[in-house]
Amino acid sequence: DAMVIQNPRYQVTQFGKPVTLSCSQTLNHNVMYWYQQKSSQAPKLLFHYYDKDFNNEADTPDNFQSRRPNTSFCFLDIRSPGLGDAAMYLCATSRPAASGANVLTFGAGSRLTVL
Amino acid sequence: AQSVSQHNHHVILSEAASLELGCNYSYGGTVNLFWYVQYPGQHLQLLLKYFSGDPLVKGIKGFEAEFIKSKFSFNLRKPSVQWSDTAEYFCAVNYGATYKYIFGTGTRLKVLA
Repeated sequence: DAMVIQNPRYQVTQFGKPVTLSCSQTLNHNVMYWYQQKSSQAPKLLFHYYDKDFNNEADTPDNFQSRRPNTSFCFLDIRSPGLGDAAMYLCATSRPAASGANVLTFGAGSRLTVL
Repeated sequence: AQSVSQHNHHVILSEAASLELGCNYSYGGTVNLFWYVQYPGQHLQLLLKYFSGDPLVKGIKGFEAEFIKSKFSFNLRKPSVQWSDTAEYFCAVNYGATYKYIFGTGTRLKVLA
């Protein structure tokens, strides 16, 4: 089945130690998103790619970076994780539409713990 | 700023009870509306969507939602819930011509058998 796969599902890191989370998709969707979801909060958009065009949300900290080497893969790099970065990180994809709207397909998420 | 509000954070119902979950969004012109569901241990998946046309939309598993433009609302309903509906429900809004989707904080629904 076509899907969105995130690795690792669980990541434990130390304060300040860089972390990379990965997302791959077999849907051939043009748009890929990274969301941060903390407990009892709404998923918060960090950034998205439309093909290779990167779109950063204004309030996304510089500590968060992303790479999309090809259509299938997208990475989230957290350069120096702080305790406040502990969260579930969700990758999602969508096809483009003229109106910009389409259904998001989510991965299972990567839960980051910072010690 | 664009925002989405879900009024009920935790809802507990008995099986066969009726469900209505509220969702309001801030004004921002043309909107596309979604409800996503996350069953325990699973990823977020689409329950239903509204892009245009009939404001009453039907989704999977007997869920429906009504878009009321004048109230900036997109409430989710189900006439008779089942134990298997226990999950977290998220309302999401896409403001037209963007790729940005804004989510509400979610409602945890627990259905007692």
